[in-house]
Amino acid sequence: DSGVTQTPKHLITATGQRVTLRCSPRSGDLSVYWYQQSLDQGLQFLIQYYNGEERAKGNILERFSAQQFPDLHSELNLSSLELGDSALYFCASSPRGGLAQETQYFGPGTRLLVL
Amino acid sequence: TQLLEQSPQFLSIQEGENLTVYCNSSSVFSSLQWYRQEPGEGPVLLVTVVTGGEVKKLKRLTFQFGDARKDSSLHITAAQPGDTGLYLCAGAEDYKLSFGAGTTVTVRA
Repeated sequence: DSGVTQTPKHLITATGQRVTLRCSPRSGDLSVYWYQQSLDQGLQFLIQYYNGEERAKGNILERFSAQQFPDLHSELNLSSLELGDSALYFCASSPRGGLAQETQYFGPGTRLLVL
Repeated sequence: TQLLEQSPQFLSIQEGENLTVYCNSSSVFSSLQWYRQEPGEGPVLLVTVVTGGEVKKLKRLTFQFGDARKDSSLHITAAQPGDTGLYLCAGAEDYKLSFGAGTTVTVRA
């Protein structure tokens, strides 16, 4: 158990819909990262937040957005869903949130299926 | 397109055999990390290598970082069924991790 929690564990929805994925970081960690893992693209970095502020952006689509709240939990919003958005979405957290060399602790993931 | 190329993509060996997984890139990274991921779970960090030429050993696992900080290898000695999983390398640059596609390792009892 990494200490990072993600809800829901599974999500099935239809094309065109919008969903929200939730992540609670490990106690004391200030930074949250979101990743997408699919069979064809592998594990792709989407976005990072540090203490409520966006720190780095990766391959995140404009249809996707995220935020980190004052209590440090984070949400990833996916809208206008397409079949290709079906994937595992992981959240990770790290203590200081500054450097990628820090240990990132991954949650168990949310499996999204878009039908 | 992956910044980091891992090989082989799949590896199936008998318990007790040795194996090596490679991670290569044309980019230089400030550090490189190796993760293992089991089905239905998130990746778990195994090691971080920072210095070119660095070698780290964790029990039966040996990690090397190339002199030019562009490539790395993971060697497992006397593999056990518990070593089965997806092994991912990740290059660190600024605040981002770029992952390879992974090597699926199966160790048969």
